[in-house]
Amino acid sequence: ETGVTQTPRHLVMGMTNKKSLKCEQHLGHNAMYWYKQSAKKPLELMFVYNFKEQTENNSVPSRFSPECPNSSHLFLHLHTLQPEDSALYLCASSPQSGFRYNEQFFGPGTRLTVL
Amino acid sequence: AQTVTQSQPEMSVQEAETVTLSCTYDTSESNYYLFWYKQPPSRQMILVIRQEAYKQQNATENRFSVNFQKAAKSFSLKISDSQLGDTAMYFCAFMKHEGGATNKLIFGTGTLLAVQP
Repeated sequence: ETGVTQTPRHLVMGMTNKKSLKCEQHLGHNAMYWYKQSAKKPLELMFVYNFKEQTENNSVPSRFSPECPNSSHLFLHLHTLQPEDSALYLCASSPQSGFRYNEQFFGPGTRLTVL
Repeated sequence: AQTVTQSQPEMSVQEAETVTLSCTYDTSESNYYLFWYKQPPSRQMILVIRQEAYKQQNATENRFSVNFQKAAKSFSLKISDSQLGDTAMYFCAFMKHEGGATNKLIFGTGTLLAVQP
């Protein structure tokens, strides 16, 4: 275990549903990330938060809405998704200082299927 | 913009043998980091090894070592004495040195390694 948990692990939703993905890190890190992992494609960085402030939005469609209430929790709110949004969504965190300051620790991911 | 290329979608190796996974990258930066991440079938991505671009010495972590060729922009991973637990998707990743915590990783498409008994 790397100290980053994600719930749910699997999610099936219709195109008109609203759902949320949750990520929690128990490592005392200050930065958190959302990635999208699709088959045959590199991991795509979606959002970055540092000390609860969004520092990166990698041209992600507005149907994905992130929320970071504190440095330990990160949410990804989903609404009116498309079938091509089906993927594995990975959360990661990293420390701000120390020897491993540039190492990202990943959660197990949420497998999302949009029908 | 930086890119990372892994030209081997799949590889196979016999248990106890040695295998090398290839990675090339493109950047105009001089100060950066390179990583190999492993994603086993359980899906939890974990760091295998890292290399600072300013260091000439190749990084080593137990059975894992890299061959870092900065001029050629090549960063291959060698796994010695392969074990069944090494079966996983391996991702090469690049990070520009920007300081702070929000460093962005650029990933390759991955190499699926199967270790055969």
